[in-house]
Amino acid sequence: DVKVTQSSRYLVKRTGEKVFLECVQDMDHENMFWYRQDPGLGLRLIYFSYDVKMKEKGDIPEGYSVSREKKERFSLILESASTNQTSMYLCASRGTGPTNEKLFFGSGTQLSVL
Amino acid sequence: DAKTTQPNSMESNEEEPVHLPCNHSTISGTDYIHWYRQLPSQGPEYVIHGLTSNVNNRMASLAIAEDRKSSTLILHRATLRDAAVYYCILRRNNFNKFYFGSGTKLNVKP
Repeated sequence: DVKVTQSSRYLVKRTGEKVFLECVQDMDHENMFWYRQDPGLGLRLIYFSYDVKMKEKGDIPEGYSVSREKKERFSLILESASTNQTSMYLCASRGTGPTNEKLFFGSGTQLSVL
Repeated sequence: DAKTTQPNSMESNEEEPVHLPCNHSTISGTDYIHWYRQLPSQGPEYVIHGLTSNVNNRMASLAIAEDRKSSTLILHRATLRDAAVYYCILRRNNFNKFYFGSGTKLNVKP
């Protein structure tokens, strides 16, 4: 089965710090995604990437950027962390084509910004 | 955005069938219907998906209304391990966006 690995399960950062969240998948998937999950709001898409060096904004990209230098790795960057970015961050990947409908998720990174 | 509406919570008895409803009245002809579930402290996992016809797999069945404006996820015999938040999601064909709502929290009683 596909494995999507997020580098940290829990992370505590201070306001104004630059934060990197890393995600690696092992199934050669073209598409990778970053979501944040907040109580009562479900999952909201921040950014996604459909190929190396390609990215598209999701529904809530403000305050975030992403990097995809290698196919297996997709990084989410908080340039200057703020307390309203305290959240659970979930990475996902998916192949391309009609037989690749499934999204595969990592276990998530719970980020606290103090 | 492709929206779905689900009840906030449902309860079931162990070993009984569970029918989880989802309304998606704004669905378009090219939208796939997906279901995912999220166990505590884990990322969501795929359950099932379909386009027009009913679908079965080892985890569940998906019943899609004839007009496609609603669907039902069926767990044939609920177990305690099925207690999770279940998300009904639409994905527009040729688009990579999956829109998650708030989901239905399923509680399974022994």
